[in-house]
Amino acid sequence: AQTVTQSQPEMSVQEAETVTLSCTYDTSESDYYLFWYKQPPSRQMILVIRQEAYKQQNATENRFSVNFQKAAKSFSLKISDSQLGDAAMYFCAYKDRDDKIIFGKGTRLHILP
Amino acid sequence: DAGITQSPRHKVTETGTPVTLRCHQTENHRYMYWYRQDPGHGLRLIHYSYGVKDTDKGEVSDGYSVSRSKTEDFLLTLESATSSQTSVYFCAISEGPTSTNEKLFFGSGTQLSVL
Repeated sequence: AQTVTQSQPEMSVQEAETVTLSCTYDTSESDYYLFWYKQPPSRQMILVIRQEAYKQQNATENRFSVNFQKAAKSFSLKISDSQLGDAAMYFCAYKDRDDKIIFGKGTRLHILP
Repeated sequence: DAGITQSPRHKVTETGTPVTLRCHQTENHRYMYWYRQDPGHGLRLIHYSYGVKDTDKGEVSDGYSVSRSKTEDFLLTLESATSSQTSVYFCAISEGPTSTNEKLFFGSGTQLSVL
């Protein structure tokens, strides 16, 4: 069965600095999607970034980028120029052709002013 | 924002009572999902649906049943609620594998407390 592992339960970063959140996954599939979702205190789940496994180019959305290493089954999220509004729980997620979307346990990110 | 409505937003119930949570979408998306969120566990899939009357189990389906009689509605039922089912429940939708922009859209969640 597919699994998603986020090894950092909590992280802190100084405002304006860069932080990287780790995610690894286990699958035997070659075609799948990977996602990072953000959950602020409001509880709303917000899509941050999405990566298709067949694309070698790393996805980027403004200050958010990923380092997708398919062979290593690694999908880390880099947040540049961290802002107070980035404080949230971040979830890594995996989806393949079975259409189940599996989430990691999350990383709580604190932004230090 | 995707049109997903969960009801109720909050519910307190007693052990042993049946509970039904409703998810309604206006996006005509084929796939609908129910997740529960608990501290230290992230989001865990309970059940999902890939079409009207087509459903499948997730990783934590015991004690839960679902029904989807219309594209827009996906119901989650706790036949006899237990304290271990106290959680925040999220509904999510997606277009499905034919989409060129596949992703999940989430509802606002339902806080369920079983006393």
